[in-house]
Amino acid sequence: ETGVTQSPTHLIKTRGQQVTLRCSSQSGHNTVSWYQQALGQGPQFIFQYYREEENGRGNFPPRFSGLQFPNYSSELNVNALELDDSALYLCASSLTGVTGELFFGEGSRLTVL
Amino acid sequence: GIQVEQSPPDLILQEGANSTLRCNFSDSVNNLQWFHQNPWGQLINLFYIPSGTKQNGRLSATTVATERYSLLYISSSQTTDSGVYFCAVGDFYNTDKLIFGTGTRLQVFP
Repeated sequence: ETGVTQSPTHLIKTRGQQVTLRCSSQSGHNTVSWYQQALGQGPQFIFQYYREEENGRGNFPPRFSGLQFPNYSSELNVNALELDDSALYLCASSLTGVTGELFFGEGSRLTVL
Repeated sequence: GIQVEQSPPDLILQEGANSTLRCNFSDSVNNLQWFHQNPWGQLINLFYIPSGTKQNGRLSATTVATERYSLLYISSSQTTDSGVYFCAVGDFYNTDKLIFGTGTRLQVFP
């Protein structure tokens, strides 16, 4: 059974640029959610995708967008990067949405200069 | 929205000691998970425990949903137990996300 994998693991961008982070969900899981974790804090929910549709969103601006593909893998896109976007971005997959057990990837650490 | 509080915020132990971490939540939940975040940032599932008691080796957890708290017990702690422990809950009325607590940072010294 393949776990949740994310890429890239680390990246550095400058303010105003755009970034795309990728996530492959655990085998058989049809729900993917994304979280942002700033240094020293707990993860914060960004949004969730179920069968290629966004079905939940946290308190993040529209420049945070996402996609889910037919194979249930997912992308997180962030436009017009700001310094405060520097964080660890975590992807989680589950079989039954948030009411079931979530499994997280190793995360993508983004630094915005 | 639902509030999740964890205590203590920091815990320092010597190897072999036992500890109890607590998670309080302010409303009904349909999911509760405990995670260990390793030094590289990955969240490792410890327990999926919206209610009841579970044990896995030296770790066990109990959730009393009616009283809105959960406890994580670590027995005979090892240096590899060091890291941050998070409790996360699923809001019964907003079923699209997990809400994380602020975490307990555990340091185990030999």
